[in-house]
Parts: sequence; C-alpha cells; structure tokens
Amino acid sequence: AQSVAQPEDQVNVAEGNPLTVKCTYSVSGNPYLFWYVQYPNRGLQFLLKYITGDNLVKGSYGFEAEFNKSQTSFHLKKPSALVSDSALYFCAVKVTGANNLFFGTGTRLTVIP
Amino acid sequence: DTEVTQTPKHLVMGMTNKKSLKCEQHMGHRAMYWYKQKAKKPPELMFVYSYEKLSINESVPSRFSPECPNSSLLNLHLHALQPEDSALYLCASSVRFQEYSNQPQHFGDGTRLSIL
Repeated sequence: AQSVAQPEDQVNVAEGNPLTVKCTYSVSGNPYLFWYVQYPNRGLQFLLKYITGDNLVKGSYGFEAEFNKSQTSFHLKKPSALVSDSALYFCAVKVTGANNLFFGTGTRLTVIP
Repeated sequence: DTEVTQTPKHLVMGMTNKKSLKCEQHMGHRAMYWYKQKAKKPPELMFVYSYEKLSINESVPSRFSPECPNSSLLNLHLHALQPEDSALYLCASSVRFQEYSNQPQHFGDGTRLSIL
C-alpha cells in the first residue's frame, strides 16, 4: 500500500528564517513525489516534483525539496521565508505502475512577521 | 491565474435541488479529475476521466453524477445532496492518466458547496 505522512500539522517560522516542511512516504515501487501549496479559498498549486536524477529539486517561488531514498523522505525547504508563504502545503506520491495520486494530510505553514 | 476554470465559485442549494458544477481547461490535457475537499483536509479523489471516458469512480454515491462532454469540459451533476456533502469541490487536469505518467495535476480554485 502507498502512503504519505506529513508529521507536523502546523509549522511556524519567523520571516527571513529558513523553513522546512517534512514529508515521508511508503511505497512499493519507484515514487514520483510532488509538493502542492493551497492558499485560502484557492485550489492546489503545483510547486515541484521529483521523478529521477538529482536529489535536490528546485521549484516555484524559491522552494526546493530534497529526495532522500534511504530515509524515504521528501522535505520541502526554502532558505528565507516570506509572510506570503503562509499557506497549507501538501506532499503527494504516485507510484510507477499505479494510477492514483496519494496526498499527505497537509501542513499549515505560518510565517511570522 | 489558474488554467483550470471552475464555475460557480460558490453554490448554496437545498437537499431537493438539482445543480451542476462545471470545469474547463484548454491545455490539451486528456485526463480530468473531480476531488472533494473538507476544511483543512487533503483532497479526496471522486472520479477520473481519461480521453473522455470514466476510468475511476471511487465508490461515490449516485447523487453525484459526472459527465465529460468533450476533452475540455467536465461537469458534476448534483441531486438530492446531504448536508455532509458540503465541501470544496476541486477539478483538476493532467496531460494523461496513465500508470507511467509523472506529470503533475493542475487544479482549479474549486466550487464551495453548501447544502442547507
């Protein structure tokens, strides 16, 4: 069975500090990993994906994520947080040979001015 | 701006009403999806259309009826809904719905549905 875990419901970080939103996954094949962001009253926006190759993936709005196969993790990072980064973040996984996209439970990021 | 357009943005309806949600994309995507999202929860997949044919129905009650008239349009027909059906309904599309597709899904901003 495929699953995604986001261990933190809420992450608070001061503006200008680095941020990390954690994601771990459990799959039975090779994973495709995605991060999405959802602002209030909006749909999900695609940030970045890992398919294969370089473990450090760069995405939109200065976000990046590091794929770690041994730890089965795909943490989202940003060197310097902005207040406008405050939103709900979802990690998702898809496995080669399967059709569905599995979402984590989401992490609410609050950047404090 | 989102490339997947959903109308209406808000909908309030009684339990005996019939209404429809609409979704449109012009990215040439051949897979389209309906999701239901409750507050502060991840989206839950309801239906998937691939090349205008229904590929997945996640055991959704028959009071929800999807329709894909063409490759750009996706509808969700609603009838005799229950208060617990109140949620944000999201439409998404992707290049293809295939087991080896690694392309992301693109989401609309959703229709916020309230059942009285």
